[in-house]
Amino acid sequence: SYELTQPVSVSVALGQTATITCVGTDIGSKNVHWYRQKPGQAPVLVIYRDIHRPSGVPERFSGSNSGNTATLTIDRGQGGDEADYYCQVWDSRTRTIVFGGGTKLTVL
Amino acid sequence: EVQLVESGGGLVQPGGSLRLSCAVSGFTFSGSWMHWVRQAPGKGLLWVSRIYFDGSDTIYADAVKGRFTISGDNAKNTVYLQMNSLRVEDTAVYYCARSDGDGYNFFDLWGQGVLVTVSS
Repeated sequence: SYELTQPVSVSVALGQTATITCVGTDIGSKNVHWYRQKPGQAPVLVIYRDIHRPSGVPERFSGSNSGNTATLTIDRGQGGDEADYYCQVWDSRTRTIVFGGGTKLTVL
Repeated sequence: EVQLVESGGGLVQPGGSLRLSCAVSGFTFSGSWMHWVRQAPGKGLLWVSRIYFDGSDTIYADAVKGRFTISGDNAKNTVYLQMNSLRVEDTAVYYCARSDGDGYNFFDLWGQGVLVTVSS
């Protein structure tokens, strides 16, 4: 089955840029989506189809995807960005949806 | 208001059954895929199952195949997850979520989640 690997945790200083990676075999050929989940809440879509932001998501959030790595970038990190972040793809071979293990973002 | 509201969770013994419901409001099923995603305590997200709005296509994760059944009632705008032969490892918050029928399979709408606890 297809696997996505994310770092367990990422820390970023207040106001700096956070980068969260999602590694998978030839992930650049897939559409990658990203979700933010705060404690006790449902996940929220922050990036879809690699680079697109839903309405209401700040421009500070951006995505990229190439080769074996997709990346979520959060500029000017704020305390409100602290959350778990998950990448997700559709595996056309097995016709199933796959999530990465999630990354806990801490803003110092 | 567009929203998904899950219900039907609770405590059940191993080997037991439970049926979850997801009531849709503010939009119709037409053209959508409806999914169930679960999250065990302190763990990550795990996709469980999906159904096309007309019921013509259903898919399951290996972990629940043969035990869980997803279904929908368009007249009631409700999606169901029938869970049989429950195991301790099925303990999780179960979320209902929607993806558009465009084929990109991302979740643009989530419910608040419902807790299922499997324990003796």
